[in-house]
Amino acid sequence: DQQVKQNSPSLSVQEGRISILNCDYTNSMFDYFLWYKKYPAEGPTFLISISSIKDKNEDGRFTVFLNKSAKHLSLHIVPSQPGDSAVYFCAASEYPFSGSARQLTFGSGTQLTVLP
Amino acid sequence: ETGVTQTPRHLVMGMTNKKSLKCEQHLGHNAMYWYKQSAKKPLELMFVYSLEERVENNSVPSRFSPECPNSSHLFLHLHTLQPEDSALYLCASSDRGDEQFFGPGTRLTVL
Repeated sequence: DQQVKQNSPSLSVQEGRISILNCDYTNSMFDYFLWYKKYPAEGPTFLISISSIKDKNEDGRFTVFLNKSAKHLSLHIVPSQPGDSAVYFCAASEYPFSGSARQLTFGSGTQLTVLP
Repeated sequence: ETGVTQTPRHLVMGMTNKKSLKCEQHLGHNAMYWYKQSAKKPLELMFVYSLEERVENNSVPSRFSPECPNSSHLFLHLHTLQPEDSALYLCASSDRGDEQFFGPGTRLTVL
């Protein structure tokens, strides 16, 4: 059973508007959450992360919100740009094991298309 | 070179072949990972090496064999694969449990 779920496989947004990508998780032991972006023929690129002790983290046009009681996080992109068109993956992990490594559990991704 | 590199970028192999995927990180990280991404499925963690020690992942078939000779290099040795093993194989590295940096991946096709 998937512990991290992205229920929307795709999302289309007009340029300049807000994009909201959602992610739900089931494991209450997750304490660190990340968003990655992936273009075709490239590996995922880290975007933004949030620790479970926070409920919001902002980096430029990207903001991640965490609602621990609902086990839900979202990524807001404002304003959306055509170059943001990519697959966005949500990931979560528990406390690092083996000293330095984290086991990330990924969602299945949401294809964002920003229309000019 | 910077970041995480993977070779080859594309690989086609028969079910009886033996091949190896190579990953190299130039970031000074101390943990390295192999992931598998099949079509329309989430990335699946296959193996983790932390400080050059392997963390077992019991769900990975023995036809996949990782090797980490030092903190900068990671290999995935492939032997008698099945067609369902065709996927994108991604390598990543990290430092102190922080975010993982991914390579571009190897697109593997098993005939």
